[in-house]
Amino acid sequence: QSVLTQPPSASGTPGQRVAISCSGSSSNIGSNLVYWFQQLPGTAPKPLVFRDNQRPSGVPDRFSGSKSGTSASLAISGLRSEDEADYYCAVWDDSLSAWVFGGGTKMTVL
Amino acid sequence: QVQLVQSGAETKRPGSSVKVSCKASGGSFSSLAINWVRQAPGQGLEWMGGIVPIFGSATYPQHLQGRVTITADRSTNTAYMELSGLRSDDTAVYYCAEDSECSGGSCFGGYWGQGTLVTVSS
Repeated sequence: QSVLTQPPSASGTPGQRVAISCSGSSSNIGSNLVYWFQQLPGTAPKPLVFRDNQRPSGVPDRFSGSKSGTSASLAISGLRSEDEADYYCAVWDDSLSAWVFGGGTKMTVL
Repeated sequence: QVQLVQSGAETKRPGSSVKVSCKASGGSFSSLAINWVRQAPGQGLEWMGGIVPIFGSATYPQHLQGRVTITADRSTNTAYMELSGLRSDDTAVYYCAEDSECSGGSCFGGYWGQGTLVTVSS
């Protein structure tokens, strides 16, 4: 059971806008910065969003992060076939003194 | 550009230990945190601990305290993760990940190694 809750799956058609949620608590999302990672099959995770809403160099602006209270969200606009991947949120948890990850969301492009 | 290169796959017996290395090039090895994250087959990501090489002391999640040891050798820009008392459920891909420099500080998980498969089997 992950400390952060993500939907196990999400889907959309090419060109659509989809969002993935990440629900936590006051000891993690409510008080610290959220990170999002994309993992393509058989590869290492790749950073998509730093510090709630900053994109690393090279990440398309189709990807955006937001946060409100104890929940965060990753939005993908103009969905493309190459966006089929697993997506994870991560944040520092003050109560656990540990980095925690969401369980991951598998994105399918229909 | 920072590159992290990890050691090769390992197969270990239950009860033994494994030590995985992560060599960094192209970045500020000493001042940014290096974390270890593992992923069991078909499962999600799990943080195993981290270290800032210039400080030397590592931080671990409570459930792995006493079984995992993370160290860093600044002379060779290499970080190590040793896991003892191996069990079958330790079978996983183990990743090292270095923070990147961001405006206002550092960012978690900026650069990742390619991963090292550790298989625990009798």
